[in-house]
Amino acid sequence: DIQMTQSPSSLSASVGDRVTITCRASQGIGIYLAWFQQKPGKAPKTLIYAGSTLQGGVPSRFSGSGSGTHFSLTISSLQPEDFATYFCQQYDAHPFTFGPGTKVDIK
Amino acid sequence: QLQLQESGPGLVKPSETLSLTCTVSGGSIRSGGEYYWGWIRQPPGKGLDWIGSIDYSGVAYYNASLKSRLTISVDTSKKQFYLKLRSVTAADTAVYYCARQDGYFESWGQGTLVTVSS
Repeated sequence: DIQMTQSPSSLSASVGDRVTITCRASQGIGIYLAWFQQKPGKAPKTLIYAGSTLQGGVPSRFSGSGSGTHFSLTISSLQPEDFATYFCQQYDAHPFTFGPGTKVDIK
Repeated sequence: QLQLQESGPGLVKPSETLSLTCTVSGGSIRSGGEYYWGWIRQPPGKGLDWIGSIDYSGVAYYNASLKSRLTISVDTSKKQFYLKLRSVTAADTAVYYCARQDGYFESWGQGTLVTVSS
């Protein structure tokens, strides 16, 4: 199975900050990586797929980059509604696997 | 707008079978055949685990860790797909999500909590 890791596991930030979360795959996955945002008690929301393609309706302050084994999600200017947990997921090979999540909270 | 809705019992006894239904509205399960329809679960306070996925014709892929206990099926006429997990234990307690999959999970249901307890 492809193992996904994320760093940091949590971070504290202020509104307006630039935030970057890193996701690494245990083997190369091309660009087959998605990012999700999840708020407490809610379903995940898809933000980005194919490493860097923004899902429809997602604000442009979110961006993704990377390929192979190293990926990142950047929020250019953190907004109050962005405080949440973020997960990456590879869909290059079965079983599809998720990262453990990065919790972004208010400093 | 595509919507997915999970339904099923919220409480299942140990050793019994967990059965869930995902109903699709605002779109067709057939959809030209390019989509898969997946199940994902999230134990309380933990991360996300892919359970398995199926296409409109019934071709299914399962997570090997659950394969011996798992059946996923589809009924396109009812716009529903199904999850059956046999011989459940407390470790199967989780929020279960269904999702439409175009490689990645693009649209999610709201999730349903299933607790395994006597």
